[in-house]
Amino acid sequence: GENVEQHPSTLSVQEGDSAVIKCTYSDSASNYFPWYKQELGKRPQLIIDIRSNVGEKKDQRIAVTLNKTAKHFSLHITETQPEDSAVYFCAASDAGGTSYGKLTFGQGTILTVHP
Amino acid sequence: GAVVSQHPSRVICKSGTSVKIECRSLDFQATTMFWYRQFPKQSLMLMATSNEGSKATYEQGVEKDKFLINHASLTLSTLTVTSAHPEDSSFYICSARDNTGRNSVYEQYFGPGTRLTVT
Repeated sequence: GENVEQHPSTLSVQEGDSAVIKCTYSDSASNYFPWYKQELGKRPQLIIDIRSNVGEKKDQRIAVTLNKTAKHFSLHITETQPEDSAVYFCAASDAGGTSYGKLTFGQGTILTVHP
Repeated sequence: GAVVSQHPSRVICKSGTSVKIECRSLDFQATTMFWYRQFPKQSLMLMATSNEGSKATYEQGVEKDKFLINHASLTLSTLTVTSAHPEDSSFYICSARDNTGRNSVYEQYFGPGTRLTVT
């Protein structure tokens, strides 16, 4: 099955700096890579996603890059703000495959943005 | 659109009792729903994939007789934790995919979660 590794486990930055979180996956059949932000006791919130036919996607301060050959994808947050502080999860799935698109999550990254 | 609800949001039960958690897609039909469990400071771990009208597919290590899943309609899946014990205390989250095409077929829409505490 799929295995997703996420690094770093914790990340501390100053307000205004950039933050980068990296993930690797193992299953070459995976074709959908979402990133979630989760606050304590809340549901995961999709912040950006990318499909395997695209190498990069950007939405304001957030961007995701995907390298299918190396099987890794990264989340980039620029101009970080204190409200970006949360736990971030990457995930991978074979949407449309025999697994019904089940998500395999990375271990999570606790991002702290200091004012 | 694409709203998923869960009920209850919190439940406290005594050891040995059973608890049922409901997951509903409110404005779309979900052929496939997923159940996840999240322990404190850990990631979401998939427990099972629930398909309407058929038996759920459980992940390795998840006891199907302990975690009963029923997906009787296109908008409702239930998870019953039978003979709950303190080690079952966790945050249970469901998600659903909209296979109709009205929303993204790739995205999973998450419920707000259910905090289960077994005393």
